Amino acid sequence: KQEVTQIPAALSVPEGENLVLNCSFTDSAIYNLQWFRQDPGKGLTSLLLIQSSQREQTSGRLNASLDKSSGRSTLYIAASQPGDSATYLCAVGNTGGFKTIFGAGTRLFVKA
Amino acid sequence: NAGVTQTPKFQVLKTGQSMTLQCAQDMNHEYMSWYRQDPGMGLRLIHYSVGAGITDQGEVPNGYNVSRSTTEDFPLRLLSAAPSQTSVYFCASTPGAAYNSPLHFGNGTRLTVT
Repeated sequence: KQEVTQIPAALSVPEGENLVLNCSFTDSAIYNLQWFRQDPGKGLTSLLLIQSSQREQTSGRLNASLDKSSGRSTLYIAASQPGDSATYLCAVGNTGGFKTIFGAGTRLFVKA
Repeated sequence: NAGVTQTPKFQVLKTGQSMTLQCAQDMNHEYMSWYRQDPGMGLRLIHYSVGAGITDQGEVPNGYNVSRSTTEDFPLRLLSAAPSQTSVYFCASTPGAAYNSPLHFGNGTRLTVT
């Protein structure tokens, strides 16, 4: 059974700091790994998707890496801004991509 | 395109009542799924569908039924509501295995069972 863990559960950093969010999963037979952002009381917005054959994806100040053999992914946020404050969720898709399992998320607060 | 549309946005039920949460997508996506989100627990998969007429159970299926009679619609039925089903419910869709595309989410239904 796939289990997804995110560390830390919460993080507070000053504006401008570079930061790393961690995600680990127990079954390396994955189809893809996704990172989402969720603002309070809102739905989920897709940030990055890494296919199982890829090692990383980049979008603006965000970079996500994937190491299937160790069951780990990291989301790197460069030069953090107060607008980055949100909950970040990691999700792993099974082979075929029809079942996606989520971690509990990391709640990020960036102080101005 | 409207994307994934969920109705209602808010609902209050009494214990034992039944109701249906609606989910519709206009992107011709093959895969659809239902999640519930509780504080500190992330999203947990309730049921999913890989196409019209095909559904299967996720991590927490008890107390919920689904059907998929069309590609567009994937309703979630609560048979006899319990306070433990108080949660925020999200519907999601994705094109299918051939595309390896992100999940698209609706805005959620906040359900309270008293």
